[in-house]
Amino acid sequence: KAGVTQTPRYLIKTRGQQVTLSCSPISGHRSVSWYQQTPGQGLQFLFEYFSETQRNKGNFPGRFSGRQFSNSRSEMNVSTLELGDSALYLCASSLEKSSYNEQFFGPGTRLTVL
Amino acid sequence: GQSLEQPSEVTAVEGAIVQINCTYQTSGFYGLSWYQQHDGGAPTFLSYNALDGLEETGRFSSFLSRSDSYGYLLLQELQMKDSASYFCAVNPTSGTYKYIFGTGTRLKVLA
Repeated sequence: KAGVTQTPRYLIKTRGQQVTLSCSPISGHRSVSWYQQTPGQGLQFLFEYFSETQRNKGNFPGRFSGRQFSNSRSEMNVSTLELGDSALYLCASSLEKSSYNEQFFGPGTRLTVL
Repeated sequence: GQSLEQPSEVTAVEGAIVQINCTYQTSGFYGLSWYQQHDGGAPTFLSYNALDGLEETGRFSSFLSRSDSYGYLLLQELQMKDSASYFCAVNPTSGTYKYIFGTGTRLKVLA
């Protein structure tokens, strides 16, 4: 079974631009969560999508948004990029009912904002 | 607010046993998870404690005490490949967060 895939793996943008990141979950997984990882702040939860609906949301500004398609693939968008948005963006998929509550992470997209 | 605190770094030698602690302040959660992340890699799931007590999975064990707001990951027979960052995480029963991750512990295993 293929793992979680994320594209692109690396991205360089300048301040003020916008960016769209993509995540394809493991087949059969309907929940997709997004995280921002930085050395200073660790792993911060952005949002979770399930069946094309945002189900949970972290404490990030409205510049961060996402969506999920009917095939469970998900995208996140960051508008008006700031230097502080430079980070590794990870997505994770999971089964709705998992006794171990396990999330499967993708390799991440490393975003650099100049 | 809700937070999970971990030591920033732990060092141990090959073959030793090491314990990584996770203390938390959260109003309520379904369970405590542990993830391992190697440099440049994605976090991978290690264990999950829904109930108080010890869960054992091979060389790794995880413990939870809700009354003490405390959990730990125990790694036995350390190997060089165990050098990585380890994160605890909870999924809250209330609020809008699906998961809250701990600050992370970088484990260095010395030969």
